[in-house]
Order: sequence, then C-alpha cells, then structure tokens
Amino acid sequence: DGGITQSPKYLFRKEGQNVTLSCEQNLNHDAMYWYRQDPGQGLRLIYYSQIVNDFQKGDIAEGYSVSREKKESFPLTVTSAQKNPTAFYLCASSKEGLAGPTDTQYFGPGTRLTVL
Amino acid sequence: KNQVEQSPQSLIILEGKNCTLQCNYTVSPFSNLRWYKQDTGRGPVSLTIMTFSENTKSNGRYTATLDADTKQSSLHITASQLSDSASYICVVSEKGSYIPTFGRGTSLIVHP
Repeated sequence: DGGITQSPKYLFRKEGQNVTLSCEQNLNHDAMYWYRQDPGQGLRLIYYSQIVNDFQKGDIAEGYSVSREKKESFPLTVTSAQKNPTAFYLCASSKEGLAGPTDTQYFGPGTRLTVL
Repeated sequence: KNQVEQSPQSLIILEGKNCTLQCNYTVSPFSNLRWYKQDTGRGPVSLTIMTFSENTKSNGRYTATLDADTKQSSLHITASQLSDSASYICVVSEKGSYIPTFGRGTSLIVHP
C-alpha cells in the first residue's frame, strides 16, 4: 500500500516544548515538502528537500527545523521559537520536484498541532 | 509577487446541480496549474494538472479549463454529489521553481 504517512494525527504541546512531526513515504520520490495550513489561508511552504541530505527554507521557516537523512523520511521539528505553532501541518512528496511540467505533489493526511 | 486568487470563497449548491469555480493567477513564467480537492481534516488530493498547451482536461465529473493568455482557470463540477463537499484549491507553478503558489481555496457545500 503506497503513499505518504504522517504521525501523529493529533498532537498537543505545552508552550516552550519542542515537538517532532513524522513524515514517511514509500513512493520512491526524491522531493519532499512541509506545509502549514491555517483557517482561511492557502498552504504555506515551511521547508522542502529535493534530495537526501539537502533541504531549503520555504516562506515561513523561522521556528522550524528539518532533516533528510533518508529518502523515505522528512521529519519536521516545531521548536519553542515558533511563536504561533497551532496549525494543520501537511507533508507532501513529488517524483522529481515541481520544476517538471507534469510532476504532482502527493499529500499525507496531516497532523493537527495544538499548543496548550 | 506571484499570486493565485480563487472565487467564490464559498459556495452552497443542491445535490445534482452543476457549479464552476474560478482561479486567476499572476504567476510567470507559467509552468503548470493544478486543481486539488481537500476534504476537511485531510490532505489535498490532485484532480487535474494542466500545462501551457492544454486548455481543457477532465477527470470524471470534474472538468478544468485553462486560458493562459488571460491567466484564468476554472473547475466545473457536473451533477454534484454530497461527497463533493470539500475545499478546492488551485495551485500554480512557475517554470524552474520548486515552490508552487497556492490559492486559498473555495469551500463547496453540497446539500441534499
């Protein structure tokens, strides 16, 4: 059963704590992405990675960190420096990166993070 | 700055009716345009992808159109079903860029 998995589905965090969101894909895709979605807003890119051991900041990287040690995995850490972390987080992957004219992103089911 | 504007923001229709969602963009140079369907609390799922040379593409009851000259796209849903209730997101990619621009989505509610 191929696809992208994210865990956990719901996550609660106390202020001042770091938390790591998991993203795994078995599609053999090179590129992976993390987005944040807030009510009434479009998806905003946090980080993306085109290949293993390489990643780039997106539009709203402050307060977040990532690693890409394996092709299948792209975990996102929400640090205490992120001022407003409560949101719906989506992970995605694509075969080669979206510069290709027909490449498509496949999204995971999302993780809803709530800071208490 | 690249922008993608979708209208209407929300739409309520009766089951069985047709509807059309709009997407205007300023992304340039244009690479492709995608429409996604996102159910509440879930990840988006791709419906169609269109490149510069394509002006119509269908996926079942969903038909997307693209006018690259006016930088407009539409998504037409035929014979709507209750399961069509979702947010529909227009996403436009710039040629050579790995960062697409997302619209805010149109929230569609289909009533029985």
